[in-house]
Amino acid sequence: EAGVAQSPRYKIIEKRQSVAFWCNPISGHATLYWYQQILGQGPKLLIQFQNNGVVDDSQLPKDRFSAERLKGVDSTLKIQPAKLEDSAVYLCASSLVFGYNEQFFGPGTRLTVL
Amino acid sequence: AQSVTQLDSQVPVFEEAPVELRCNYSSSVSVYLFWYVQYPNQGLQLLLKYLSGSTLVESINGFEAEFNKSQTSFHLRKPSVHISDTAEYFCAVKDDGSNFGNEKLTFGTGTRLTIIP
Repeated sequence: EAGVAQSPRYKIIEKRQSVAFWCNPISGHATLYWYQQILGQGPKLLIQFQNNGVVDDSQLPKDRFSAERLKGVDSTLKIQPAKLEDSAVYLCASSLVFGYNEQFFGPGTRLTVL
Repeated sequence: AQSVTQLDSQVPVFEEAPVELRCNYSSSVSVYLFWYVQYPNQGLQLLLKYLSGSTLVESINGFEAEFNKSQTSFHLRKPSVHISDTAEYFCAVKDDGSNFGNEKLTFGTGTRLTIIP
């Protein structure tokens, strides 16, 4: 079974530029999560999708961050414009159904904002 | 709101020695507890979890953790570590599902375990 795929693995941009990350969850997984992991901290949930609907985006900085999962499969997270403090690893995770307890994580995208 | 405290940011241990990584949590509701491991340049992998039943849970690679409700702890232990255990370990907590809709995992800040040959 293929795992959660993310691309790119690394991205370096200048502040005020835009960036997008892509995630393809495990086939058949209805729930998809985006986490932000700042160096020295644990992952923090940004947004959770159930199929193509948003369940929780309470910690997503909506003035600059956006995410979509239009067909209920893969997802894109965008930052526009980026700030220095957005430098982090962005992790995507998926779980089989709503309420299922194990989340499977992708390798992450390491973003550096200069 | 929930929170997780991992007091030790780094733990160096000699190979074949025992180790304990500490985790304490705070929550106003019943919770599920998890330990995730992150090897260098890899994503997080579930190591073990406590959902219900026996308070002592084990992983396939020799780690175990014990849920202590009175002390709100879920410490991770291994009696004899190997070089391959070098990684970052994250403790996480989640509502037990009685609050339908809240699937959010709250993570601690992680403990970097370094095995010394």
